[in-house]
Amino acid sequence: AQSVTQPDIHITVSEGASLELRCNYSYGATPYLFWYVQSPGQGLQLLLKYFSGDTLVQGIKGFEAEFKRSQSSFNLRKPSVHWSDAAEYFCAVGARSDYKLSFGAGTTVTVRA
Amino acid sequence: DAGVTQSPTHLIKTRGQQVTLRCSPKSGHDTVSWYQQALGQGPQFIFQYYEEEERQRGNFPDRFSGHQFPNYSSELNVNALLLGDSALYLCASSWLAGNEQFFGPGTRLTVL
Repeated sequence: AQSVTQPDIHITVSEGASLELRCNYSYGATPYLFWYVQSPGQGLQLLLKYFSGDTLVQGIKGFEAEFKRSQSSFNLRKPSVHWSDAAEYFCAVGARSDYKLSFGAGTTVTVRA
Repeated sequence: DAGVTQSPTHLIKTRGQQVTLRCSPKSGHDTVSWYQQALGQGPQFIFQYYEEEERQRGNFPDRFSGHQFPNYSSELNVNALLLGDSALYLCASSWLAGNEQFFGPGTRLTVL
């Protein structure tokens, strides 16, 4: 069964500082990996996805993520955060042969001035 | 191009009642998935509909049922509501299995 672990429940970062959110997955086959962002009271917005190919993936809003098969990780990064990046971030895993997405518990990001 | 839409936005029910939530997929999408997101948790997969049939189901009791219509829209029905059913219910659409899923804004269900 596939599963996702986001080790950090809450991260506080200063505006303009860099951000890295960790994601570890468990899946037997080649996974499809996703990062979603959720603002309070809102649905999920896709930041970026990895299906195959280049392991460094660029997404929207200046985010990027790197797939490391040897570490079963798909960490999300942003070089310089903005106050509007304060939100909840979810890592998810899926697969070509499976229809559902399995989500981590999420990481809440707080941005301080 | 309208994205995924859900109705209603909010809903308050009492224990034992039944509820129906609705979802219209993004234009061009033929697959609808439903997720339950309890407070402070990640979304949990309930089931997915394709060609008007339930294609895959997560670990949810039979009280949770669904339907997909010929226009690809979908309903989620929950019977005999429990307090623990209080959550944000998210609908997601896609056009291929395993492909990226686009989420709607959700329906916030409160069971009193």
